[in-house]
Amino acid sequence: ETGVTQTPRHLVMGMTNKKSLKCEQHLGHNAMYWYKQSAKKPLELMFVYSLEERVENNSVPSRFSPECPNSSHLFLHLHTLQPEDSALYLCASSHGQGSQPQHFGDGTRLSIL
Amino acid sequence: DQQVKQNSPSLSVQEGRISILNCDYTNSMFDYFLWYKKYPAEGPTFLISISSIKDKNEDGRFTVFLNKSAKHLSLHIVPSQPGDSAVYFCAASSYSGAGSYQLTFGKGTKLSVIP
Repeated sequence: ETGVTQTPRHLVMGMTNKKSLKCEQHLGHNAMYWYKQSAKKPLELMFVYSLEERVENNSVPSRFSPECPNSSHLFLHLHTLQPEDSALYLCASSHGQGSQPQHFGDGTRLSIL
Repeated sequence: DQQVKQNSPSLSVQEGRISILNCDYTNSMFDYFLWYKKYPAEGPTFLISISSIKDKNEDGRFTVFLNKSAKHLSLHIVPSQPGDSAVYFCAASSYSGAGSYQLTFGKGTKLSVIP
C-alpha cells in the first residue's frame, strides 16, 4: 500500500459546487501539508498541520478550507472555486523534522468549469 | 520573488554521461536542501538531501553538492540512464513553527536521457 493516498485522482466541478479532497497517510507521520501546482509555477504550500493543529496558512483564499481530524487524515474542502483554481493539488506528510523529507501523494487534478 | 530558482527548464543528456542539474537560493535561513523527482501523473518522490553543514552527499549514482557562500546546489547523476528521465525539483527547508518544516520549491528541470 502506498504511503500517501489521495482521492479522487481527478475532479471536474462547476464554480458553485462543493467538493472535498481527501488525503490519507500510513507512514506514522505527525505533519501533513497541502500544496498547489499550477502550470509553469513552482509547488506552492497552502496549509501545514502539525499534530493536527494548523501551523501555516499561506494567504490562501477562504474558498479553500482544510480539515485534519487526526494525524493520518487531511481534507481540503472546496467551495465556490474560480477557473484559476484549476491545478494539481498535492498532499504530503513528514515526521515534522527538517532533516526528514516530505512524502507526497500522487495528487488530485482539479478542473473548474 | 522566487527564493529557490532552477534556471534551466530542460536538459538533454546522452545515456551513460553525467547529468548536472543546478539550483540557486536566496534565503540564508534555509538549513536543509532536498531533490525530488517527478514522473507524469505521479507525485514527487524524494531522491536525496543535504544539510547546510555539509558540502556533499552521495547516494549511489546521485550526488548533491552545496556551495553555501554562493547559495548554490547541484545534483549530479552519473551514469545517466533512460529511466532517470523526469522532472527534478530542488527544494529548501525552513522551520515554520510547532515542529513542522516548510519546503520552498523551484520550478523544476525536465531531464531527458537519450538512449
